[in-house]
Parts: sequence; structure tokens; C-alpha cells
Amino acid sequence: DVKVTQSSRYLVKRTGEKVFLECVQDMDHENMFWYRQDPGLGLRLIYFSYDVKMKEKGDIPEGYSVSREKKERFSLILESASTNQTSMYLCASSFFKGDRRGNTIYFGEGSWLTVV
Amino acid sequence: QQQVKQSPQSLIVQKGGISIINCAYENTAFDYFPWYQQFPGKGPALLIAIRPDVSEKKEGRFTISFNKSAKQFSLHIMDSQPGDSATYFCAASTTAQGAQKLVFGQGTRLTINP
Repeated sequence: DVKVTQSSRYLVKRTGEKVFLECVQDMDHENMFWYRQDPGLGLRLIYFSYDVKMKEKGDIPEGYSVSREKKERFSLILESASTNQTSMYLCASSFFKGDRRGNTIYFGEGSWLTVV
Repeated sequence: QQQVKQSPQSLIVQKGGISIINCAYENTAFDYFPWYQQFPGKGPALLIAIRPDVSEKKEGRFTISFNKSAKQFSLHIMDSQPGDSATYFCAASTTAQGAQKLVFGQGTRLTINP
């Protein structure tokens, strides 16, 4: 089974803190994604990466950065956390589009972040 | 700007009934339309998906109907069961730099009453 693991399930941080959310996948996927999920808004893409050290902005990148130093690991960084970043964050991964193994995106279980 | 619009936001169906969730999209470049199912405390998981070259796909009790000209697609759950109670997301994807980038609808919280 594909496993996307988000190391922290629940975090409480203070405004202005630097926050790291870590994600590891074990399926040798090329692509990795960070989404945030908010009620009534669905899932919105923050950043994605299609290769090591490569990153592309999603729909809502403001206030976030990412790092992908190894193929299996994708980190989301909140440089200075703010209360409007309180949300659930979902990491996901997939094979390269067109790969015969399919293009399903697999999600982790989410990280609930509260910024106070 | 919501590229994929989903309705209704919430839906209550009696056990054994048909659950129907609708989605509409704007970008004609979308070429893959999956539905994801999410249980409380879990991440979304792929339920069923369709490509625009077919009008319907069925897997067990779950069917996607796709109308390319209207830019709409819907999920039908036949003989709905309490275990189907979950949040459902439609999505559509384009390819950017080799990544299958999904755009999601707002989600529908489905409750099946026993």
C-alpha cells in the first residue's frame, strides 16, 4: 500500500513562529503536493514539486514556502505563522503523468495546525 | 475564482436511496475527473475517475456521469449505505510541468440515515 506520512497530526503555534510540516512518501513518486483544506472551500493547492529541488507555486502560495531535498520528502514552511493559516494541511504524492502505473494522487492523513 | 463548482454542500439520504452530487467546470483543458472520498480524521482517497472521452463510468454502486458539452459531471451512489457517509470531493486536473495538478470542488458532506 502507498503510504504518505505526515509526521505531525496536531500542532498549536503562536503568531509569528516559523512552522515546519514534514511529509514522507514511500512509493518513489516523482510528484508531491501540499494542499490546505478549509470548510466550504475544498482543497486548495499551495505548492507542488515534480522533481527533487524543483517546486512550482499552486493557487495560494502566499505566506508559504517548500523544500524538497530528497525524492521521498517534501516540507511545507510557514515563515511567520498567522491566524489565517489555521487549517488542515494535506500532503499528497503521485507518479509522473503518463506513467503506466497510473496518475492517482495519494493523500496523507493531514496535519491540523492552529495558530494562536 | 473556483474553477470547479460542486453542489450541494451537504446531503442527507435515506439508506437504500440514490445520492447525487454535481460538479461543473470551466477549463476545457481539464482531461481527468476524479472523485475523492474522505472519512473524518483521514485524508481523501480516490473513489472513481473518468476521462472526457467517455460519458459514464461505473464501479460497483458508484457511477460517474460526464457531459462534456455542458462541462458537468456527477457522482451517483446507488443503494446508499450508512458506511458511505463521508465528505466527497470532485476534482479536475491539468498537467503542469509533468505533475497531475488537481483542482478540487468545495466538497459535499453526505449523511446516509439508517
